[in-house]
Amino acid sequence: SQQGEEDPQALSIQEGENATMNCSYKTSINNLQWYRQNSGRGLVHLILIRSNEREKHSGRLRVTLDTSKKSSSLLITASRAADTASYFCATARTTSGTYKYIFGTGTRLKVLA
Amino acid sequence: NAGVTQTPKFQVLKTGQSMTLQCAQDMNHEYMSWYRQDPGMGLRLIHYSVGAGITDQGEVPNGYNVSRSTTEDFPLRLLSAAPSQTSVYFCASSYVPGELFFGEGSRLTVL
Repeated sequence: SQQGEEDPQALSIQEGENATMNCSYKTSINNLQWYRQNSGRGLVHLILIRSNEREKHSGRLRVTLDTSKKSSSLLITASRAADTASYFCATARTTSGTYKYIFGTGTRLKVLA
Repeated sequence: NAGVTQTPKFQVLKTGQSMTLQCAQDMNHEYMSWYRQDPGMGLRLIHYSVGAGITDQGEVPNGYNVSRSTTEDFPLRLLSAAPSQTSVYFCASSYVPGELFFGEGSRLTVL
């Protein structure tokens, strides 16, 4: 089964509004990452937050991590039509001495101009 | 700097045929992995490798083989393709436990 579950599955907002996506996971992690995927393309890394961090910012992106609740959120402020894409969380965790990156099911974001 | 290169981009197979999806990276990453992406399922880990000669199974390894003879290359083999393997396949690499760098994907259809 997949490590991460995201909600909502789909989100439609107006340009200029904020978009919030949530990710829950099941086991302990080293870090949690967020990726973006434009239709039919490969995934692009957005931001990484370590397990000992609670909040991180990068431009219009804000990520929070609550390890006690095993959850994370991605906030995109002042959204633009170009932000329309699918967003995935991924957890990096050690298993048998090696790392695995496990992805969630994703949130499809549509920003209306 | 090419990053992660996957070939072919598109492939159509008949049930029972075999093929290899190629993945190469030029960033000297020790970690490489293969995912499949199906509608509504996100990305599921098939196999991964933490260095030349070392591979391990992910979430959905059945029907797929991998090997890692060099740091740069990590091919994914389908020995006897089945319609259930119709999917988009992504290769990714990283310096663990950092960010993953993805290829552009290989779209496989099995008839």
